[in-house]
Amino acid sequence: NAGVMQNPRHLVRRRGQEARLRCSPMKGHSHVYWYRQLPEEGLKFMVYLQKENIIDESGMPKERFSAEFPKEGPSILRIQQVVRGDSAAYFCASSPGLTRSTGELFFGEGSRLTVL
Amino acid sequence: DQQVKQNSPSLSVQEGRISILNCDYTNSMFDYFLWYKKYPAEGPTFLISISSIKDKNEDGRFTVFLNKSAKHLSLHIVPSQPGDSAVYFCAASGSATNKLIFGTGTLLAVQP
Repeated sequence: NAGVMQNPRHLVRRRGQEARLRCSPMKGHSHVYWYRQLPEEGLKFMVYLQKENIIDESGMPKERFSAEFPKEGPSILRIQQVVRGDSAAYFCASSPGLTRSTGELFFGEGSRLTVL
Repeated sequence: DQQVKQNSPSLSVQEGRISILNCDYTNSMFDYFLWYKKYPAEGPTFLISISSIKDKNEDGRFTVFLNKSAKHLSLHIVPSQPGDSAVYFCAASGSATNKLIFGTGTLLAVQP
């Protein structure tokens, strides 16, 4: 499967624990985007990364959230000291770059975080 | 600031009829508009897009119309099929970035 791979698909954490969500982009894609979908809401942009660079983090909460996309390995979205309000579906998307024939981003299946 | 708006949370149509989903935007710098379809517990999948230099794009049963002066776009599905039942998201991006801004979605139910 050459699609965007996210893991874990489901993650349960207690308040105060850390959550790490991983995303491997499609083969040949160097741009990664993280989105969050809260219950009954749309997809909210969080962060846009290229390898080893954060391009746009305007949607990231100022505290407890961080993201990286190292030279080797998947992109990681890290949430420290989780609270119940962090419970959501987190989607990763990728694109090959700034080539914009359709503007399309390719999405993974999502990681569903539940905070008890 | 909701730059992309879908004012209808839900829509119900009969199989074989036309489904029309609407989307409004506020940012005149957007130059690509896309529609995504999403089933529960799955990721969004791309349906169709349109660049701001066009006013219509068609792909099979799906047609997207763009009215730049009104900052409005719509997705037409004809004929609608029960398998089209899903949440449809409108999205937009500007020339400086690939980042997509999404609307809140419209739940389409196609009744057999």
